[in-house]
Amino acid sequence: EAQVTQNPRYLITVTGKKLTVTCSQNMNHEYMSWYRQDPGLGLRQIYYSMNVEVTDKGDVPEGYKVSRKEKRNFPLILESPSPNQTSLYFCASSSTPGTGRLRPLHFGNGTRLTVT
Amino acid sequence: AQSVSQHNHHVILSEAASLELGCNYSYGGTVNLFWYVQYPGQHLQLLLKYFSGDPLVKGIKGFEAEFIKSKFSFNLRKPSVQWSDTAEYFCAVNARGNNRLAFGKGNQVVVIP
Repeated sequence: EAQVTQNPRYLITVTGKKLTVTCSQNMNHEYMSWYRQDPGLGLRQIYYSMNVEVTDKGDVPEGYKVSRKEKRNFPLILESPSPNQTSLYFCASSSTPGTGRLRPLHFGNGTRLTVT
Repeated sequence: AQSVSQHNHHVILSEAASLELGCNYSYGGTVNLFWYVQYPGQHLQLLLKYFSGDPLVKGIKGFEAEFIKSKFSFNLRKPSVQWSDTAEYFCAVNARGNNRLAFGKGNQVVVIP
């Protein structure tokens, strides 16, 4: 079954304790992206990746890191989480026939992060 | 960079009523347009998309959207809603030439049986 898998689904942590949210897709998609969803703000893009070793900032990259060492995986790293990073996070992937021609995104089930 | 505006963030309807959600974007060039739906507690799913061709596109579950280039709009419609259409709806825009997908803030739609 084609899917985007995120782990964990729920995470509660404390300020400053490094964490990683994993994302994996089995569709051989080139494009992967992370979004955060906050009430009244919709989805905002954190980082995206066009392919292995190619990553770029989205609209709200501060406080986050990503890596793309393999095509299927795109982990989101919070080196020093803060309470304002409490949010619902979605990973997504898509095929891309070329630059600026995104196909529909396939979304993971989300990770609800609480930073106290 | 492109931006997306959705109005009427909260919409409450009765079953069988018609639904129209507005979406406007700010980008003067060619765009790919999407509507996604998020049912309570679930991830986003694609409702419909527009890349080129007929500006009236039909999606799943009886939804349709019309691209009006002169108005920079991509409004979503459904003639007769059902209780199961209760969800949050997001418009999204990808400007040709960049690799970012911008979402609007969403419309929370509640359908009362």
